Amino acid sequence: NAGVTQTPKFRVLKTGQSMTLLCAQDMNHEYMYWYRQDPGMGLRLIHYSVGEGTTAKGEVPDGYNVSRLKKQNFLLGLESAAPSQTSVYFCASSYEKGLSNTEAFFGQGTRLTVV
Amino acid sequence: GENVEQHPSTLSVQEGDSAVIKCTYSDSASNYFPWYKQELGKRPQLIIDIRSNVGEKKDQRIAVTLNKTAKHFSLHITETQPEDSAVYFCAANTGTYKYIFGTGTRLKVLA
Repeated sequence: NAGVTQTPKFRVLKTGQSMTLLCAQDMNHEYMYWYRQDPGMGLRLIHYSVGEGTTAKGEVPDGYNVSRLKKQNFLLGLESAAPSQTSVYFCASSYEKGLSNTEAFFGQGTRLTVV
Repeated sequence: GENVEQHPSTLSVQEGDSAVIKCTYSDSASNYFPWYKQELGKRPQLIIDIRSNVGEKKDQRIAVTLNKTAKHFSLHITETQPEDSAVYFCAANTGTYKYIFGTGTRLKVLA
């Protein structure tokens, strides 16, 4: 049982390049999230998904796209990276149907630097 | 919109003293309040949580209190130890998908 796994762990991009971050969970969770963490600003929600095939915008969605083609995977894409997207990105998942536990489990994070 | 305010942003205590971190939420529909601890370079991990039908919950040296009327909840750590040094986040959840996090408190326990 690996929990929530993110790839890659580190990445350096040049301005204008694109990339995809992959999040995988093996807990049969319905909900998945992408957050970015910047100093002094806590965890800000980028996009989230409440089920396979569904996605929605969070607090800071501009410049990012997501897809959830399979229940266990949630992809975050940057089409044209900008220095303002330098951050640590966390994926999280929560909620298994039929259970009352709504604890969110986090991946280990991806440190992205855009130069 | 929905918001969670967290104070203080940094907190230094002597080893063995108590630490208190406070959060205030805006959405009256919130009914689940977790606290996460994040050590340097690591992922946030749940340390304690409380639901809106409970006023206080304790787990060894950690306790959380909730005042629904004031929309206020707090984390209390007693007999602090150096390994308690980390960033702590509070969050509020309406029982569905949406977690709103506070901006974090950096706790330093001085030996």
